[in-house]
Amino acid sequence: GESVGLHLPTLSVQEGDNSIINCAYSNSASDYFIWYKQESGKGPQFIIDIRSNMDKRQGQRVTVLLNKTVKHLSLQIAATQPGDSAVYFCAEIDGDTGTASKLTFGTGTRLQVTL
Amino acid sequence: DAGVIQSPRHEVTEMGQEVTLRCKPISGHNSLFWYRQTMMRGLELLIYFNNNVPIDDSGMPEDRFSAKMPNASFSTLKIQPSEPRDSAVYFCASRLTGTYEQFFGPGTRLTVL
Repeated sequence: GESVGLHLPTLSVQEGDNSIINCAYSNSASDYFIWYKQESGKGPQFIIDIRSNMDKRQGQRVTVLLNKTVKHLSLQIAATQPGDSAVYFCAEIDGDTGTASKLTFGTGTRLQVTL
Repeated sequence: DAGVIQSPRHEVTEMGQEVTLRCKPISGHNSLFWYRQTMMRGLELLIYFNNNVPIDDSGMPEDRFSAKMPNASFSTLKIQPSEPRDSAVYFCASRLTGTYEQFFGPGTRLTVL
C-alpha cells in the first residue's frame, strides 16, 4: 500500500498575536531540552533551552515552559512576526554533556504567520 | 565563524551509484553528528562522533551506509550503493563537549533516481 508521510501539525497565527507551540516528550529521565527553528531549505537553528530543574525560561520574545509532571514542553512566541514562520522542533537530552549525550527530536510543528 | 559547512548542497544520482557527503564542523567542536530528514520519519540521528571516534552508530540504516571522521575538521557519510529510498536531506551538526547545543549545517539534499 501507499505509505503516508509524517503529518506535521500546523499552527496559523496572525501577525502580532502570540504563538504557543506544544511538545510532549517521552523520556522522564531527560534533563535538558532545546527548541529549534527550521526555516525552509535550512538546518535547524537553536532558539532557547531549559534544564529539567527549571519550569520556565525567557529569552527575547520567546518563553519556554516545562511541566515535568506531564512531560510537556511549550514554546511561547510574543508578537509573532512573518519571519517566525518555520517548523519548530523540541529536542530532549538524556545524558551529560560528555560523550553519551545526544538529542532526540520531536516531530515538529509548522508555524504559519498570516498578515 | 563560517559555521558547519556541508558539501555538496544538492546531489542527484542514479540508483546503484556511490554517494559521498562531506562535513566540516565548527573549529574547536569535538562532537559531530549526522542526521537524515525525511517526510516519512522526520529528523533521525544516524551516527555521532566524539573526538573523531564513533560513539553511537545505531541509527545507521544498513551496511550500505558508512561514516568516517579522519580528523577533527572533516567527516564523510558514504552510501554505496545508493537506492531511491535514501533520498532525503542529510544534516551534519557539531557541538563542543561540555555544552548541549548542536550547531547544524545547511544540509545536503540527496535525490536518488
